[in-house]
Amino acid sequence: NAGVMQNPRHLVRRRGQEARLRCSPMKGHSHVYWYRQLPEEGLKFMVYLQKENIIDESGMPKERFSAEFPKEGPSILRIQQVVRGDSAAYFCASSQIGLQPQHFGDGTRLSIL
Amino acid sequence: KQEVTQIPAALSVPEGENLVLNCSFTDSAIYNLQWFRQDPGKGLTSLLLIQSSQREQTSGRLNASLDKSSGRSTLYIAASQPGDSATYLCAVRPGETSGSRLTFGEGTQLTVNP
Repeated sequence: NAGVMQNPRHLVRRRGQEARLRCSPMKGHSHVYWYRQLPEEGLKFMVYLQKENIIDESGMPKERFSAEFPKEGPSILRIQQVVRGDSAAYFCASSQIGLQPQHFGDGTRLSIL
Repeated sequence: KQEVTQIPAALSVPEGENLVLNCSFTDSAIYNLQWFRQDPGKGLTSLLLIQSSQREQTSGRLNASLDKSSGRSTLYIAASQPGDSATYLCAVRPGETSGSRLTFGEGTQLTVNP
């Protein structure tokens, strides 16, 4: 039973480029959460999605960041026009329903040159 | 706004020692509290989850307690081993009607020396 799969594991982008991070939840899970871990800091909530719906995006920057979880396929966290401050580890978690424990992926480490 | 604090930020102990990691949170209206382990460059592994109605949970050498009214939780590790070296994160989930986001502390970096 595969866990939460994130890809790529490492992503390098130059300033101004776009970054796309993918997350495939555990089988049977329809709730996805994205968290960001800046260097030397704890994880911070970004966005919570169900299939085709954004439930809570209060932790996501208003500009350049967007997230989706389409009916088919993985959840995507998209960062446009990346800046050095976007360098972080981005973790995805999934749960079967909203109040069930969240299972985490191994993260995508984004580096901005 | 919920805030989670973990003390100490770092801890170094000799192998075999029993140790306690502390977590405090400002809003006692939580649904549950969870302790995670994070190894360098890896994701999070859930260790113990305590529902708001529970006082403690145990798994092997690990014991987590919860005092919701005072906003505190402790993770007790018995007979520590070098393989326990990792960062330990505490996270709280808000009350049932307040959404599903987890609020994390900044972690305690544990080093167990052989």
